Amino acid sequence: EAQVTQNPRYLITVTGKKLTVTCSQNMNHEYMSWYRQDPGLGLRQIYYSMNVEVTDKGDVPEGYKVSRKEKRNFPLILESPSPNQTSLYFCASSLQGLGNQPQHFGDGTRLSIL
Amino acid sequence: QKEVEQNSGPLSVPEGAIASLNCTYSDRGSQSFFWYRQYSGKSPELIMFIYSNGDKEDGRFTAQLNKASQYVSLLIRDSQPSDSATYLCVVNRGSGYALNFGKGTSLLVTP
Repeated sequence: EAQVTQNPRYLITVTGKKLTVTCSQNMNHEYMSWYRQDPGLGLRQIYYSMNVEVTDKGDVPEGYKVSRKEKRNFPLILESPSPNQTSLYFCASSLQGLGNQPQHFGDGTRLSIL
Repeated sequence: QKEVEQNSGPLSVPEGAIASLNCTYSDRGSQSFFWYRQYSGKSPELIMFIYSNGDKEDGRFTAQLNKASQYVSLLIRDSQPSDSATYLCVVNRGSGYALNFGKGTSLLVTP
């Protein structure tokens, strides 16, 4: 089954404790992206990757890191999480990143930073 | 100016009626337009995409695009309670590879 898999689905942690949210897709997609969704603000792009070893900042990259060492994986790293990073996070992928193709979303990761 | 604007709603329609969801965008270079449905706490799922001016129909859904007016809409015919969700209008940016997301319109279909 074609899918984007995120882990964990839920996480409660404390300020400053490094965490990684994994994202994996099995569709051989070139483009992958991370979004956060907050009430009243909608979906905002954090980082995206056009292909292996090619990443770029989205609209709200501060406090986040990403890497794309393999085509299928695109982890999101919070080196020193803060309460303002409490949010619902989505990973998405599309065949190519030309902006003209629909994105497939993972089920989301709900992060709470205390 | 917000890149993609949608009425937040809620838009309430009776079961069986036509629901009309509207979206305006500001980037004249945008070429690709998507409608996603999102149930509360769930991930967005693609409903329709449209690239050319005019109408595109898929089952009960019709997307309409007017690039001159920078307007895109989604019509849902024979609305069902299961259509109750938030509908996101998504538009590609004319330059670069990112997308602009509207904040969504909440639709409530009442039995």
